[in-house]
Amino acid sequence: GAVVSQHPSRVICKSGTSVKIECRSLDFQATTMFWYRQFPKKSLMLMATSNEGSKATYEQGVEKDKFLINHASLTLSTLTVTSAHPEDSSFYICSARRPGTGNGADEQFFGPGTRLTVL
Amino acid sequence: AQSVSQHNHHVILSEAASLELGCNYSYGGTVNLFWYVQYPGQHLQLLLKYFSGDPLVKGIKGFEAEFIKSKFSFNLRKPSVQWSDTAEYFCAVTTFSGGYNKLIFGAGTRLAVHP
Repeated sequence: GAVVSQHPSRVICKSGTSVKIECRSLDFQATTMFWYRQFPKKSLMLMATSNEGSKATYEQGVEKDKFLINHASLTLSTLTVTSAHPEDSSFYICSARRPGTGNGADEQFFGPGTRLTVL
Repeated sequence: AQSVSQHNHHVILSEAASLELGCNYSYGGTVNLFWYVQYPGQHLQLLLKYFSGDPLVKGIKGFEAEFIKSKFSFNLRKPSVQWSDTAEYFCAVTTFSGGYNKLIFGAGTRLAVHP
């Protein structure tokens, strides 16, 4: 299957600082990437859809000024958590959509996740 | 709004027992359906998917799922589980709207298999 990487895998930061998380599709070009947040023992909640060359589309309730997304190339999307607070501590997962056969039969490949802890 | 329901939050089985995890979705249009697995400490992996055609889908590691359109269901099954199947299982649906697809996940089912 396709490979998606995330960096860093784990980050601890002080309250008020900003943290950048990278998501890369290693063996395919992804015009669309997604950012999810996973709370302990809960499902993945879609935060935003990142489209190469255009602004991200945020889900309802997600602050776009707090979670900055940049999809600078067909293989890289970044999520920056600005002015992080302890409540932002979570597991952040990205995925990249690999286009299918044109009938909508595409699927997403997930990165390993980034554990953010804000002190 | 579209949603995905997984009926069992926590399932405990002995090895060799049969498994069925329920998944129902609410959306009247065309959907693609997925089951993902997350082993402890690992990232999400695709178990199987349904796009069209035969509603009985076979995936990796002996898993299968059946799409029943009239019931809006996509239950996951395995005839005989192993200890290594201990993981969290997520049902997901993509819907075509707003110009792109997005995955909507169920709450997940945590499966523990005892030797």
